[in-house]
Amino acid sequence: AQSVAQPEDQVNVAEGNPLTVKCTYSVSGNPYLFWYVQYPNRGLQFLLKYITGDNLVKGSYGFEAEFNKSHTSFHLKKPSALVSDSALYFCASGSSNTGKLIFGQGTTLQVKP
Amino acid sequence: DVKVTQSSRYLVKRTGEKVFLECVQDMDHENMFWYRQDPGLGLRLIYFSYDVKMKEKGDIPEGYSVSREKKERFSLILESASTNQTSMYLCASSIGTPASQPQHFGDGTRLSIL
Repeated sequence: AQSVAQPEDQVNVAEGNPLTVKCTYSVSGNPYLFWYVQYPNRGLQFLLKYITGDNLVKGSYGFEAEFNKSHTSFHLKKPSALVSDSALYFCASGSSNTGKLIFGQGTTLQVKP
Repeated sequence: DVKVTQSSRYLVKRTGEKVFLECVQDMDHENMFWYRQDPGLGLRLIYFSYDVKMKEKGDIPEGYSVSREKKERFSLILESASTNQTSMYLCASSIGTPASQPQHFGDGTRLSIL
């Protein structure tokens, strides 16, 4: 069955330090992978996507994500966190077989000054 | 920039009422979606539509219906509201194949059923 897992409910990091928000997926066929960010009382904003090609995908606001097929992972990274990065982050996976998009349960990122 | 507008940010209704949530997008997207967002559960798809007058059930359609009479507008209807439908409702739109294209979201409607 198609699924997306974000194993951490919350990630805490100090400003200026690198951050990683984890995501693993399970899909049949080729995966399409996405990261979204949600600020309080707002909808989700698209950050980046992996369809095919380079395993390292660069997106908005300095974020990037690494696709690892053998680990079925698509972790979100940023070299230097900002306090303004504090938000709720969602990973999503689409399947070329089913045509469906599934969201993970979300990870709250807290960046402290 | 794509604009997805949800008609209400906050809504309070009573049990048994028929509730309408409206969503409009301005980018001529063929796909539109309704999700509900609950803490710890992420986003769950209620219904989606690939075209005018087309609709498909998502993962949790029970107690809901939808209407898409015009391409830009997608309405979610709670036929007889119940307290377990208290939630944040998010509308989204996209082009092309839904699984492979980014979705653009509205700011959500926080619905409370008393």
